[in-house]
Parts: sequence; structure tokens; C-alpha cells
Amino acid sequence: ETGVTQTPRHLVMGMTNKKSLKCEQHLGHNAMYWYKQSAKKPLELMFVYSLEERVENNSVPSRFSPECPNSSHLFLHLHTLQPEDSALYLCASSQDRTRPYTQYFGPGTRLTVL
Amino acid sequence: QKEVEQDPGPLSVPEGAIVSLNCTYSNSAFQYFMWYRQYSRKGPELLMYTYSSGNKEDGRFTAQVDKSSKYISLFIRDSQPSDSATYLCAMSEDYGGSQGNLIFGKGTKLSVKP
Repeated sequence: ETGVTQTPRHLVMGMTNKKSLKCEQHLGHNAMYWYKQSAKKPLELMFVYSLEERVENNSVPSRFSPECPNSSHLFLHLHTLQPEDSALYLCASSQDRTRPYTQYFGPGTRLTVL
Repeated sequence: QKEVEQDPGPLSVPEGAIVSLNCTYSNSAFQYFMWYRQYSRKGPELLMYTYSSGNKEDGRFTAQVDKSSKYISLFIRDSQPSDSATYLCAMSEDYGGSQGNLIFGKGTKLSVKP
């Protein structure tokens, strides 16, 4: 497996469910990112991890909780989501934060909140 | 005023046409300028990046940056149906930390008709 992988690719959940999104990068990168992509909106940066330490949280509601157990894996834990949270959630990694042009994206998880 | 403006299209052209995609921005501190291509149900993939002003060519693709006008362009020569995708511009400042975060346009949806 190469590049950045994400599972599951599709997820439907109710507002009271708890689920997790998983991301894995096979590139030896040191920084990982979660983005939200909604229709007719630019990609929104949610969280940034550098060397497994969260370095940025862009005013994301607490119903989204990230976890980075090591430099290759990133999770996004979801609970009590709202219908407006339905979107494509993209994971990305880069060599480090000083080289943003090295960001590689995964295929995304299409999330639908009922 | 939004940081990065990009016409969402859709843009439809015949096969073989020259395509011009562009973005404008307001932050004069941006130094890195990226173009991503995103096929349906896939994550964005980096096409090209440019540092500061100037042109960069890669096969049928040419990226141009005009910092004096705060305007960037991507040209696609001899367009092919396989070029049909959404094209995202992204920019960042030249430092590590938050300034290195990518700021995206909304993307332009391109369709190349055979």
C-alpha cells in the first residue's frame, strides 16, 4: 500500500452515534492534517499534527476529536454530529510543516449524518 | 474579503482546446502557489507548485504567478477528456507554523468534451 489511505470510504451515521475515521500514510512524513471539504466551499483545515503533537486546532467543535498515536496514523473520532457536518473528510500528510507543497491527500471519507 | 477567489465554473471545452484557469488572492505574503487536480470521488493530487513569481512548465501544463497583480493561472494545452476534473488552487506563506498552512480556492470544475 502506498501514499495516504483512509477508511472507511463512506460512512452514514445518526446524530447520536460515535464513529472514527482512520488515516494511514506510507510516505515517512512527519506532519498530518485533517480537512473538511463541503460543496461550494474551499477545503477547510481542521487539525494539524507535527511529530505526533497537535499543533493546530482551527476552531473545530469538540464533537470532532483527533488522535495521532504515531507519525503514520491519524484518527478523527466523531460523536453527536449534526447534519451540517456531512462532507468529505480528507487526510493529508507532508514531509514537515515548512514544506506545504509536499502535502499528499488521501481519497477521503464521505460522511453523511442523518 | 475572501483570501483566495476562484471561479467555480463549470467550464466546458472541446478536446484539443487550450484551457485557462485562474485564482486571485489578497494576502501579499503568499509565496508558494499550488495547483491540485481532484477527480470525482478522489482526493486532490498535486499537479504543480511555484515559489514566488514566474512560470513553470510540465508537459501540457503551465503555471504562472503574477505577484504584482496577485493573480495565478494554470494553462492546459491540447486538453484531453482525461483532464476533466476539479482544479484547486492553493497558496501558503513562506514560514513554518500556521503561516505554512494551505489556503484553498473553491475549485473550478472542468469538462473536456471529445
